[in-house]
Amino acid sequence: KQEVTQIPAALSVPEGENLVLNCSFTDSAIYNLQWFRQDPGKGLTSLLLIQSSQREQTSGRLNASLDKSSGRSTLYIAASQPGDSATYLCAARPKGGSYIPTFGRGTSLIVHP
Amino acid sequence: DTAVSQTPKYLVTQMGNDKSIKCEQNLGHDTMYWYKQDSKKFLKIMFSYNNKELIINETVPNRFSPKSPDKAHLNLHINSLELGDSAVYFCASSQDGVYGYTFGSGTRLTVV
Repeated sequence: KQEVTQIPAALSVPEGENLVLNCSFTDSAIYNLQWFRQDPGKGLTSLLLIQSSQREQTSGRLNASLDKSSGRSTLYIAASQPGDSATYLCAARPKGGSYIPTFGRGTSLIVHP
Repeated sequence: DTAVSQTPKYLVTQMGNDKSIKCEQNLGHDTMYWYKQDSKKFLKIMFSYNNKELIINETVPNRFSPKSPDKAHLNLHINSLELGDSAVYFCASSQDGVYGYTFGSGTRLTVV
């Protein structure tokens, strides 16, 4: 059974810092891995999707990498801003079976001015 | 707008009542899902449904049932509501997850 762990659970940083959020998964047989952002009281917004054949994806100040052999994905946020404050979730979609993704419990990020 | 939309956004009801939450997607996706997010923000799959197969998380009480009138809709019916059912419920859809998952904005259910 796939287990997804996100470290750290919470992070508070001053504005301008470069950040690394970690997502690890126990079963490397994944089809893809998706990073989401959730603002308080809101739904999940997709940030980046990495297919299993890819090593990384970039969107603006966000960069996500995937290393299937070590069971890890990293979300890198450059030059953090207060507007980046949110909970960040990763989800691993299995290669076969039900196609139901397994979510981590998220990293709660606060960027203070 | 292409999206996954849920109604209502908020639902306050008494114990013992029966309620429904509606979900619609206009993305042309084959598969729809219901998730429950508890107070600790953990997302737990409840159901996955496409035109071929319904997959039920065995830990979900049978008071919860999905109803799909067509490919674009997956509604959640809850019978005999209990205090522990209070949570945020999210609907999502995907094309078998190949291109990722799209989530609705959630329904906050409060049982009093």
